[in-house]
Amino acid sequence: DQQVKQNSPSLSVQEGRISILNCDYTNSMFDYFLWYKKYPAEGPTFLISISSIKDKNEDGRFTVFLNKSAKHLSLHIVPSQPGDSAVYFCAASGWTGTASKLTFGTGTRLQVTL
Amino acid sequence: EPEVTQTPSHQVTQMGQEVILRCVPISNHLYFYWYRQILGQKVEFLVSFYNNEISEKSEIFDDQFSVERPDGSNFTLKIRSTKLEDSAMYFCASTEVSYEQYFGPGTRLTVT
Repeated sequence: DQQVKQNSPSLSVQEGRISILNCDYTNSMFDYFLWYKKYPAEGPTFLISISSIKDKNEDGRFTVFLNKSAKHLSLHIVPSQPGDSAVYFCAASGWTGTASKLTFGTGTRLQVTL
Repeated sequence: EPEVTQTPSHQVTQMGQEVILRCVPISNHLYFYWYRQILGQKVEFLVSFYNNEISEKSEIFDDQFSVERPDGSNFTLKIRSTKLEDSAMYFCASTEVSYEQYFGPGTRLTVT
């Protein structure tokens, strides 16, 4: 049941360049999307989110774009820094009435090289 | 900055034993969750908890699992009779508004 997919398991980008991480989803009931960053042996850290009523949300170096018709979202990191090297998870959520669980993708490992 | 904490960081147990994983969510949060990540796989939802009861649970969360909020600060996950396939990282998460969930550092459970 792959409702959220991250088709690129890894990405290598030079420091200072743009990193673009992609995510696709299949469930039309999702109405909120999030990106998490995860270092080894740590929990996921919330980065940025976007509601389905928007198509872009920006926070500093991080921008998330949502294309609802294509069921696709992407995370742009500009400029990329070595400290950005981590696994990035896309997650999606839909309100179920009392709480909303997150459905995660499989993650993309970003390596920012000097 | 407030954060979710989890104890222990690593738990080793024998198959068939009971384990309790503990979490202290962020104090003003109202929604609580457990997730797990088997090595090399994605993070999977186990259960959500709101207003002192389970809101939703996944098919993974069978009768061997239970959750409890025994006091105003702790949130626990109990596995009654552990199996080898329960070996995973277990993450607790909490949120005030039920979308942007904040995760703890995780407990690595190893079942031998």
